[in-house]
Amino acid sequence: GAVVSQHPSRVICKSGTSVKIECRSLDFQATTMFWYRQFPKQSLMLMATSNEGSKATYEQGVEKDKFLINHASLTLSTLTVTSAHPEDSSFYICSARVRVGRGAYNEQFFGPGTRLTVL
Amino acid sequence: AQKVTQAQTEISVVEKEDVTLDCVYETRDTTYYLFWYKQPPSGELVFLIRRNSFDEQNEISGRYSWNFQKSTSSFNFTITASQVVDSAVYFCALSAYRGSTLGRLYFGRGTQLTVWP
Repeated sequence: GAVVSQHPSRVICKSGTSVKIECRSLDFQATTMFWYRQFPKQSLMLMATSNEGSKATYEQGVEKDKFLINHASLTLSTLTVTSAHPEDSSFYICSARVRVGRGAYNEQFFGPGTRLTVL
Repeated sequence: AQKVTQAQTEISVVEKEDVTLDCVYETRDTTYYLFWYKQPPSGELVFLIRRNSFDEQNEISGRYSWNFQKSTSSFNFTITASQVVDSAVYFCALSAYRGSTLGRLYFGRGTQLTVWP
């Protein structure tokens, strides 16, 4: 199956710093990448959807200036948490949707997640 | 609007028991997909099954089986002879087509399954 990687897998930072999380589709091209956050014992909440070469679409309530998303290529998307604070501590998961022919099902694959802890 | 409801927040069973995880969905779209994912303590989502709205056949894969019933908008998941390794959070999810575009995934809140030895 297709592989999506995330880096780093775990990060601890001080309040006020910015953190960048990378999401890569390793063996396929992704038309669309999604970013989710998950608080302990809760479901995955979609933060934003990004298409290669265009601006990300953020879900209601997600601050786009706080969570910067860049989708520079068909295999890489980055999420930058700017001026992180303890309330940003969470598990961030990306997923990538496979680029396939018209009419075919375009599968979505998930990365392993990044655990962010802001002190 | 799409919505997925997993009413069971936590389930505990003893090894070898059968357990069914419930999933009820809402959508106005006629073409959609339903999914089940497993999330072990490591956090990585593990894909279990995808089912499209035109295929109501039940599916069995080893100890896992799924019952899709459009009449009740349900897509339930049964684990037979549960094992300790089945302990995880299980998510049901829905994605619908709008025209030719497959929309985002909508996740249920998840069911924490604990299997005791």
